[in-house]
This record gives sequence, structure tokens and C-alpha cells, in this order.
Amino acid sequence: NAGVMQNPRHLVRRRGQEARLRCSPVKGHSHVYWYRQLPEEGLKFMVYLQKENIIDESGMPKERFSAEFPKEGPSILRIQQVVRGDSAAYFCASSPSLDNSPLHFGNGTRLTVT
Amino acid sequence: QQQVKQSPQSLIVQKGGISIINCAYENTAFDYFPWYQQFPGKGPALLIAIRPDVSEKKEGRFTISFNKSAKQFSLHIMDSQPGDSATYFCAVPRYDYKLSFGAGTTVTVRA
Repeated sequence: NAGVMQNPRHLVRRRGQEARLRCSPVKGHSHVYWYRQLPEEGLKFMVYLQKENIIDESGMPKERFSAEFPKEGPSILRIQQVVRGDSAAYFCASSPSLDNSPLHFGNGTRLTVT
Repeated sequence: QQQVKQSPQSLIVQKGGISIINCAYENTAFDYFPWYQQFPGKGPALLIAIRPDVSEKKEGRFTISFNKSAKQFSLHIMDSQPGDSATYFCAVPRYDYKLSFGAGTTVTVRA
């Protein structure tokens, strides 16, 4: 009974490198959300995807950030040319439907940019 | 942008005491109002949620009270235990099917 799986758990990147964060939703869930959490802050919405479609990316910076949820495989959040301000915990959540069903969160990827 | 104001930012309670966390919102899709619990190094986990057609929901030592007219809801942790020490987030559903989260409350239960 696997929940949302995220990897890696920790990721260290130097400024200018690329970061790839992966998320496998709960089996049977077709809705994936990415949130970012800074220390002492709440979760900030980044992007909402369904299989092969980006539904809402209004919370994601237009430059350097991209996300996908292919037909097969995990959802990927990609950050190009990382900067120190990208250091944060990135959480993926999934739900089975669109009706505000409770979100199931993974344990996050903690990105550190040096 | 949905505004969700959560208070207090942190609280310390003795074992056996009551922890109370408040959440106020501006607008909502009125589907359900969840509270999430997060331990260090872990993702948020759904703790308890309430539908807007009821004013109170209780699950074990956790109770949500909902005041629709005041646009507020609160989490009460009765008989607080050291294992309850965590960060708690309220969340409010938006009309665009996303959740807006409060900034979180760090609860410390002292034995």
C-alpha cells in the first residue's frame, strides 16, 4: 500500500546546475500537485497536473521551472540553472479526483543549492 | 489569491493540556476544511477534515470547530501528548480546486 513516493529525499546542487525531482503518486491517482515549502512557512502551490497535461502552473516561476506527468512513469519537477533561492523542500501530493478530495503528500525532496 | 491566516505561529503546552489553533479565511469553495500534521523530515499527513454543513467534528482527541459566518475554523487537541509535537497546517479549498495552506503552527508538548 505505497503512498506518494518522492525521490531523491535530499538533493544538493551547485548554482547553475539542474535539479530533477521525481514523484510517483498513489496507485490509481491521476491528479498530481507540487508544493514548495520554505522554513517556517506554509506550503505554496506550484503546479497541478493530470496525466500528460498541465492543468494549472500559475504558482510556478515562468523561467527555469517546468513540470510534467507523462502517460507512463513519475511526475517530474525540473529546475534549470538553480540559484540559492531555490533551496527548499518540494512536496508532491496526489488525489484520485478533482473534487477537493484529501491530498496525499510524499515526504518531499529537500533541495540545497550551494 | 486566497488569504489563510493561521495562529498562533507556535505554542507550548503541558502534557494533558489543550492545544488550540485557529484559522481564518477570505473565500472558499466550501468543499471541506482539512488540518494536516507534519513531523520533521516528513510530508504533511491529513489529520482531520470537516465539511461546511457541520459545526464540529471530533476524532479521538482531535476536534475541529467551524464557524461559517465568521469564516473561521479551529483545531483543538485535547489531552495533548508529547507525540502530538508537530507542525499543524490548516487548508482551505479554492474555487480552482487547489488548497491554500496556512503558515503553520508548531506545537510542543512538554512532558
